[in-house]
Amino acid sequence: DGGITQSPKYLFRKEGQNVTLSCEQNLNHDAMYWYRQDPGQGLRLIYYSQIVNDFQKGDIAEGYSVSREKKESFPLTVTSAQKNPTAFYLCASSPGLGGANVLTFGAGSRLTVL
Amino acid sequence: GQNIDQPTEMTATEGAIVQINCTYQTSGFNGLFWYQQHAGEAPTFLSYNVLDGLEEKGRFSSFLSRSKGYSYLLLKELQMKDSASYLCAVRGGSNYQLIWGAGTKLIIKP
Repeated sequence: DGGITQSPKYLFRKEGQNVTLSCEQNLNHDAMYWYRQDPGQGLRLIYYSQIVNDFQKGDIAEGYSVSREKKESFPLTVTSAQKNPTAFYLCASSPGLGGANVLTFGAGSRLTVL
Repeated sequence: GQNIDQPTEMTATEGAIVQINCTYQTSGFNGLFWYQQHAGEAPTFLSYNVLDGLEEKGRFSSFLSRSKGYSYLLLKELQMKDSASYLCAVRGGSNYQLIWGAGTKLIIKP
């Protein structure tokens, strides 16, 4: 079955460490996204990519970095510059950008900073 | 600014009907989405509205009024598995960005 796989599901990080969250999709979707979900808030866009080797900052990109070297993969690195990284991170993909394109989400990665 | 408002929490009884409202203020409009999210899981797509009116899909229906900046999700014949958060999202004028509400946690009681 096609879908999106995120790993790890749970991750603990010490302050000052960078961590990388994996996101892989086999839906042949062009667009991929990273969102952050915090209690009591709507999803906030960190980065998105419309095509391989291209990505754009979302609303809260500071302290994060991404790459899109393959269509299937869109890893997110949470750097030590991110001041409040404890959150639930969701990766998503869609056939294209905008319009009626429906986002398909992965199961999420929960990052806790110790 | 751009804003999406939904009730934080609602409670309903198994077998009943519940309506979850969503109001929005955005610069431009290119469609409204409803997603269901069980705790700690991925949001899953429920419905998409871009024109005014009601879209029915089994036990779930979604309504849109663009002039009022208003949508609702109607769930009929509630089942215990419908206990989840329901997220409203609007695609604004930029046509690529989705603006998300904080979600409505629906609790179903026997």
